[in-house]
Amino acid sequence: EVQLLESGGGLVQPGGSLRLSCAASGFTFSTYAMSWVRQPPGKGLECVADISASGGTTYYADSVKGRFTIFRDNSKNTLYLQLNSLRAEDTALYYCARDSPDGYHKDYWGQGTLVTVSS
Amino acid sequence: SYELTQPPSVSVSPGQTATITCSGDKLGDKYASWYQQRPGQSPVLVIYEDYKRPSGIPERFSGSNSGNTATLIISGTQTMDEADYYCQAWDSRPADVVFGGGTTLTVL
Repeated sequence: EVQLLESGGGLVQPGGSLRLSCAASGFTFSTYAMSWVRQPPGKGLECVADISASGGTTYYADSVKGRFTIFRDNSKNTLYLQLNSLRAEDTALYYCARDSPDGYHKDYWGQGTLVTVSS
Repeated sequence: SYELTQPPSVSVSPGQTATITCSGDKLGDKYASWYQQRPGQSPVLVIYEDYKRPSGIPERFSGSNSGNTATLIISGTQTMDEADYYCQAWDSRPADVVFGGGTTLTVL
């Protein structure tokens, strides 16, 4: 059974940093691209970062480019998202999602971890 | 940037057919997917590559995509289908994954 378990969320002040983790199990982690998708309270979904299976290629939404970094440790079956220079508008539930083999959709999602940016 | 437009809400009576649309420029040239998100839960993939159903998704869920519109159809809608539904399109790069704004389906 595919499982994605996010952690690392919390309350942080504007300008602060946070690192999110996503522990994957139930599949061969190193063969799948992965994504972070966020959802502000009461709002829709936004894919903020994606990383290839090897970790060699990354993509970012314009809204987070230069502030967030996605990376992975395939030896630990773990995906990460480093959040720097946080803003109030980054407040959201952050989901880890597995990309389908062809990359066209997200076939499994975690339960999410909440990031709140507030003074 | 590419945009997908969904109606904010759709209402349907139990047992009837619910139709949720998703519009975007030449959307029919791209693959469309649909996700169901029940209150307080994570999104679940219900349709991918326009019309395919993942294992475990009931046959009452179907999809189509042509021209500028992708459509999610739920036949014989049940109260358990009450949820937010998001369409998603894939463009040239993974980071160009785009979600629609979501549609709240009410079954009453």
